[in-house]
Amino acid sequence: KAGVTQTPRYLIKTRGQQVTLSCSPISGHRSVSWYQQTPGQGLQFLFEYFSETQRNKGNFPGRFSGRQFSNSRSEMNVSTLELGDSALYLCASSLEGQVAGAIEEQYFGPGTRLTVT
Amino acid sequence: QKEVEQNSGPLSVPEGAIASLNCTYSDRGSQSFFWYRQYSGKSPELIMFIYSNGDKEDGRFTAQLNKASQYVSLLIRDSQPSDSATYLCAVSNGNKLVFGAGTILRVKS
Repeated sequence: KAGVTQTPRYLIKTRGQQVTLSCSPISGHRSVSWYQQTPGQGLQFLFEYFSETQRNKGNFPGRFSGRQFSNSRSEMNVSTLELGDSALYLCASSLEGQVAGAIEEQYFGPGTRLTVT
Repeated sequence: QKEVEQNSGPLSVPEGAIASLNCTYSDRGSQSFFWYRQYSGKSPELIMFIYSNGDKEDGRFTAQLNKASQYVSLLIRDSQPSDSATYLCAVSNGNKLVFGAGTILRVKS
């Protein structure tokens, strides 16, 4: 079974621009979560999508948004880029996201390395 | 107090030894616990997960959970140089996973 895929793998943008990142989950997985990883803050949760709906959200400004399509593929958008948005953006998929109230195991994609200049 | 705390290391062990990695968490309601391995420049890779109290073994890896003391540990037996990586502990907090900052493990041959 193919793993989680993310495109593009690397991206360089200028301050003020916007960017869209794409994630295809493992086949059969319906939950997609997005994370930002930086050396200073570590891995931080952005949001989770399930059945085309944002189910959970982390503490990030509204410039960060996402969506999920009927085939469970997900996109993440960052508008008005800032230098501090430079990071590794990771997508992780799981079957349902939660089982019996507990978060399920998540499998990460290779990530998109975003550099904002 | 951070939600999930790990010693940043580096933890250095000789090849063939047991590496012991620890993680403490603050939310008593946490129900699921995960260990990820991350090589430099790569994404995290899931190596163990545990939902209930006690131990779970998978090959050379053992995860131990103590809910009363709010800590999770990962034991790596017969450590190999290829185990050298950053190990991230993740704990459920409400409807999301919270990650620790990671412990760097170095296995010396």
